[in-house]
Amino acid sequence: DTAVSQTPKYLVTQMGNDKSIKCEQNLGHDTMYWYKQDSKKFLKIMFSYNNKELIINETVPNRFSPKSPDKAHLNLHINSLELGDSAVYFCASSQGASGGRGYTFGSGTRLTVV
Amino acid sequence: GEDVEQSLFLSVREGDSSVINCTYTDSSSTYLYWYKQEPGAGLQLLTYIFSNMDMKQDQRLTVLLNKKDKHLSLRIADTQTGDSAIYFCAESIDNNDMRFGAGTRLTVKP
Repeated sequence: DTAVSQTPKYLVTQMGNDKSIKCEQNLGHDTMYWYKQDSKKFLKIMFSYNNKELIINETVPNRFSPKSPDKAHLNLHINSLELGDSAVYFCASSQGASGGRGYTFGSGTRLTVV
Repeated sequence: GEDVEQSLFLSVREGDSSVINCTYTDSSSTYLYWYKQEPGAGLQLLTYIFSNMDMKQDQRLTVLLNKKDKHLSLRIADTQTGDSAIYFCAESIDNNDMRFGAGTRLTVKP
């Protein structure tokens, strides 16, 4: 199926650990994103990335780093996890010139830091 | 989402119409979107409207855009329990910069 897929769906880990969330899209899109959704459902952009440019939301701690091995993948690596990192993380993709097609979202990774 | 505002909650009875409102601030927005998020799932694009349109209808969904007032609404006709979800309004200038509202939680009562 064509989609944006992210793994794992659930991630429970202890404070101080380092973890990664993987994202893959097979839609041929040229731009990928990571969003954080907090407990109040507010969506905050963390990164957008295409093969030319990484745009970082300046409020994102540098413990978070995107890694893109190729155009179809954008993984999120988090160092030294903190309690406040607990949230649902969504990967999304879009085609830059697609106009009204919007973003296609993955189903989310619920991260719980204990 | 400080540039896109929505009311947080809406409750309707099954069979009634639901109207979810949104205001945005960037007059340069090219496209405006409505996304639906069901529990435990990602955001699903429901519909969108180009900024030079006033209205768009897609089956039970009607989108109204008042560009002068920067007001966008989503009307769901004959609302069903399966429509219960969070609905996000979003604006985009070039599709690589999308800003989301905080989401409106729609509850449909039988």
